[in-house]
Amino acid sequence: NAGVTQTPKFQVLKTGQSMTLQCAQDMNHNSMYWYRQDPGMGLRLIYYSASEGTTDKGEVPNGYNVSRLNKREFSLRLESAAPSQTSVYFCASRARDSPYEQYFGPGTRLTVT
Amino acid sequence: SQQGEEDPQALSIQEGENATMNCSYKTSINNLQWYRQNSGRGLVHLILIRSNEREKHSGRLRVTLDTSKKSSSLLITASRAADTASYFCATDYTGTASKLTFGTGTRLQVTL
Repeated sequence: NAGVTQTPKFQVLKTGQSMTLQCAQDMNHNSMYWYRQDPGMGLRLIYYSASEGTTDKGEVPNGYNVSRLNKREFSLRLESAAPSQTSVYFCASRARDSPYEQYFGPGTRLTVT
Repeated sequence: SQQGEEDPQALSIQEGENATMNCSYKTSINNLQWYRQNSGRGLVHLILIRSNEREKHSGRLRVTLDTSKKSSSLLITASRAADTASYFCATDYTGTASKLTFGTGTRLQVTL
């Protein structure tokens, strides 16, 4: 099992460009999440999908959109990137039933110039 | 705003010593979890303690939870250089079982 995979690993964008971050999990998990991590801070939830077909805003959703393509895949889109979106982005997944721990991907380091 | 605040922000100890990190949170929770993050990597789940539990052990890890004080501590005993990482608490609050809210983390450095 690969667990949670993310692509790309690194990306540099110019202000105003768009891009989609991809995430996939092979653990048959129902819930999937997108977080951002800024230097010296914990993770902040951007969007999540409690189950296939549903998505909800987290703490910092502005400037982002998501798509739960199927049970395996959950993508994050930046329509018009801004320097404030420079961050490391993590995708995670979780099984529906106990235990409730989340499994994280390796992250995408995004720089917006 | 973030639910959890961790203390200390950074901790430096020698191999073999114990490391204690604390987490405080603001509202009622279903459970509290601790995660480790090695530099440049994703987070890895360490241990989960439910709101009706007071203490839990896993190998060299010991977690306590005091719901009256809304606080938790993580103790790593007999630390090793490989324990060098950032440690985060995450709360799963009552009524929002799908979401975790992470603290700001403690950076632990274990030197030989």
